[in-house]
Amino acid sequence: GAVVSQHPSRVICKSGTSVKIECRSLDFQATTMFWYRQFPKQSLMLMATSNEGSKATYEQGVEKDKFLINHASLTLSTLTVTSAHPEDSSFYICSANRGSRETQYFGPGTRLLVL
Amino acid sequence: GQQVMQIPQYQHVQEGEDFTTYCNSSTTLSNIQWYKQRPGGHPVFLIQLVKSGEVKKQKRLTFQFGEAKKNSSLHITATQTTDVGTYFCAGRDSGGSNYKLTFGKGTLLTVNP
Repeated sequence: GAVVSQHPSRVICKSGTSVKIECRSLDFQATTMFWYRQFPKQSLMLMATSNEGSKATYEQGVEKDKFLINHASLTLSTLTVTSAHPEDSSFYICSANRGSRETQYFGPGTRLLVL
Repeated sequence: GQQVMQIPQYQHVQEGEDFTTYCNSSTTLSNIQWYKQRPGGHPVFLIQLVKSGEVKKQKRLTFQFGEAKKNSSLHITATQTTDVGTYFCAGRDSGGSNYKLTFGKGTLLTVNP
C-alpha cells in the first residue's frame, strides 16, 4: 500500500517558537495533501487542503498566517505552526491522495506539545 | 456545510459479541469511507463504498451504504480484542470539492477479553 511519512513524530517547543512538520509520500506522487488536527479522543478536523504548486485552501476558522502550508513538490508538503502557543498543542496528521483515487493515506502523525 | 454524524460515541463489548456503528450525513454522498485508528496510532483506510445500497464484507466486518447514499454502517461479528480502536466514517459530498472528506466523530470500541 501507499506510504506516507511525517517528521518529526513528536516535538516539544517553547511558546513563541515556530515548528515545521513535514509530510512525504514515499512511493507515489500526491497531487493533493490534507492537514488534520486531532484533539485527544476526538475526531479529525480538516485544517487545509494542499495542492502542489498552488496556495492551500484553508477551512473556516483556521488561520492561514498561523498555519503556513507549503506544497513544493508532488511528494512533500510542510505545515509550519508559527509563534506556537500551548493551545496549539495537538496531534497533527497529514494525508495524501494517490492520483485520481479518492482514498486518503494517512501519515503517522506528529504530536506537538507547546510549553 | 456538510455534517457527518456517527453513533454511538463509545461501545464496550465482551469478546465474541457483535458491534455496529452508524453514520449519517446531512447531504447526499458520492462515496463513504471507513477508517480504523488504534489507540496512539493514525487512521488506516478500511474500505470505500460508492454505489447506492452497496454491501461489502471483509472477514468479520460488513459495511453497508444506504439506498439514499446518506447513511452507512459498519458491523463487526464476534468481536476480538484486536478490533479495539476508533472507527471513523468519512464522506465526500456529491457536490463537493476535490477529494475533501468530512469525518464523523468516530466510535471508540473497547473489547473485554
